Amino acid sequence: GAGVSQTPSNKVTEKGKYVELRCDPISGHTALYWYRQSLGQGPEFLIYFQGTGAADDSGLPNDRFFAVRPEGSVSTLKIQRTERGDSAVYLCASSLTGQSTDTQYFGPGTRLTVL
Amino acid sequence: AQTVTQSQPEMSVQEAETVTLSCTYDTSESNYYLFWYKQPPSRQMILVIRQEAYKQQNATENRFSVNFQKAAKSFSLKISDSQLGDTAMYFCAFMKAAGNKLTFGGGTRVLVKP
Repeated sequence: GAGVSQTPSNKVTEKGKYVELRCDPISGHTALYWYRQSLGQGPEFLIYFQGTGAADDSGLPNDRFFAVRPEGSVSTLKIQRTERGDSAVYLCASSLTGQSTDTQYFGPGTRLTVL
Repeated sequence: AQTVTQSQPEMSVQEAETVTLSCTYDTSESNYYLFWYKQPPSRQMILVIRQEAYKQQNATENRFSVNFQKAAKSFSLKISDSQLGDTAMYFCAFMKAAGNKLTFGGGTRVLVKP
């Protein structure tokens, strides 16, 4: 079956612009996660969805970052007024139920470059 | 808060030989999970192996095994019979037993040489 997919694969934008990054989780997975991976570092947690609701958004760095999952499947990470420091790979993962015993399956990420 | 530390930025190993990656972590939790993920150049993180803290027996998955020392808060990964396809970044990660988010270390780059 299909894994987690993310679009676009790469996104280049200018400072101050708005961007949207999309994640398609594995079909039937109720839990969805966003992580950010800066160059040379490990991924850092941003937000976790259980169904349509954000169960934990403690990792969002500031109010320029927002994510939605309106129908409990596809999720969009939205970044307003992008800054050069937002440049990173944004990884999405999904798991079956969100329990800690479930495996998180990752997508290939979106590389965001802010010029 | 939990922290995960990987002290080896890069390791190289000859094909068919064994390499061990180090990971230490800090937590006040008594029950948790530890993971090793592989990230090849394609960027897709792949779960290699998982250990439950309340299990004393070290986890094993084919050529991959761990040495889990709970008192020392150490969780090393051994790759036996290294293959060229093992070349990748390897990340150690932590999750609380009642949690859902992964806390990752900084990674170790493994290069398998023919």
